[in-house]
Amino acid sequence: GQNIDQPTEMTATEGAIVQINCTYQTSGFNGLFWYQQHAGEAPTFLSYNVLDGLEEKGRFSSFLSRSKGYSYLLLKELQMKDSASYLCAVRDGDYKLSFGAGTTVTVRA
Amino acid sequence: ETGVTQTPRHLVMGMTNKKSLKCEQHLGHNAMYWYKQSAKKPLELMFVYSLEERVENNSVPSRFSPECPNSSHLFLHLHTLQPEDSALYLCASSQEGGTTGSEKLFFGSGTQLSVL
Repeated sequence: GQNIDQPTEMTATEGAIVQINCTYQTSGFNGLFWYQQHAGEAPTFLSYNVLDGLEEKGRFSSFLSRSKGYSYLLLKELQMKDSASYLCAVRDGDYKLSFGAGTTVTVRA
Repeated sequence: ETGVTQTPRHLVMGMTNKKSLKCEQHLGHNAMYWYKQSAKKPLELMFVYSLEERVENNSVPSRFSPECPNSSHLFLHLHTLQPEDSALYLCASSQEGGTTGSEKLFFGSGTQLSVL
């Protein structure tokens, strides 16, 4: 199976920046996804990286290093509504998608 | 609203009951999925249907029985469940067939299942 690791919990202050790391070990690689899941709601797509580098989308950015098996999701100018679970998911060489356990981010006033 | 609707949102059942979870997608996708989400654990893929044919069954116990009557509807029939089956069951859909790997999943809000 695949091995995807991300921290369990992170806490940050409103207006701050938080970086959620994800490391993975897969047989082959066809892309990495980040999803956001608010409590009691559906996971929703945030970003997709398949090439090395940074993808910026408003306050959220996602970075990928394929050689290091590493990605991070950067949340800037944190807002209370950003309190949620963030899921890292990797598509392997057979196009199978595996998820990490998720990182719960708590934003404090 | 993600275009994927699941009912019921909450379900409590005894170990001898039979119940069904329903999922409907309004996105015109050709693949549908059942995932199990337990606290602090990764999403576990249970079943995949592509073009209404089951293409993946991840060693799920037979007390879970999926049904996909058409490309828009997916069911998960439950019978004689165990307390450890209590979890959030998520349905998802996607448009498969590309070769880029960028096809993303659209999830429903899930059914929170408690087995007593």
